[in-house]
Amino acid sequence: DTGVSQNPRHKITKRGQNVTFRCDPISEHNRLYWYRQTLGQGPEFLTYFQNEAQLEKSRLLSDRFSAERPKGSFSTLEIQRTEQGDSAMYLCASSLSGGSGELFFGEGSRLTVL
Amino acid sequence: EDKVVQSPLSLVVHEGDTVTLNCSYEVTNFRSLLWYKQEKKAPTFLFMLTSSGIEKKSGRLSSILDKKELSSILNITATQTGDSAIYLCAVNSGGSNYKLTFGKGTLLTVNP
Repeated sequence: DTGVSQNPRHKITKRGQNVTFRCDPISEHNRLYWYRQTLGQGPEFLTYFQNEAQLEKSRLLSDRFSAERPKGSFSTLEIQRTEQGDSAMYLCASSLSGGSGELFFGEGSRLTVL
Repeated sequence: EDKVVQSPLSLVVHEGDTVTLNCSYEVTNFRSLLWYKQEKKAPTFLFMLTSSGIEKKSGRLSSILDKKELSSILNITATQTGDSAIYLCAVNSGGSNYKLTFGKGTLLTVNP
């Protein structure tokens, strides 16, 4: 499968715990994005990487959230001290700079905070 | 702040009907408008519309961009139950990072 891969697909955790999600983009894509989607809403932009550099972060990304892309390939999104309001689908997408502008999405990691 | 509004938020039709989904936007520096289809998984790309490509068609689906009215429509003719999904409209507004601002989506249900 050469698409965007995310894991885990589902995570249930207790409030206050830390969680980490991983995204493996399409191999030749140098751009990687994290979005968050809650029920009844469209995806909301969280952050964006070009290669290993994190170039933009949304105001939605509080200091409990951190994202990395250490070697410009896979990325991780960590949420510390989770809150019930963090419950959402976390979507990763990738694209190629100079490409058509289409973002290719993974199937998401669904987080439930109890 | 960039804004994308879709209507209706939900729609129920019968197989064979034709539907029109709407998307309007207010953005500071429009570059492109994209339509995605989302079933119970990843959004999948349908169309991208730009100033140089304001109309796209693929099978039963077609989309038009109206830059004057800052809006777009997505038409689906002869709907099938497999068209049931959330249809998302997104706008890329300036810069080269292709960050997208999404609308809330239209939930389309096609009944047999």
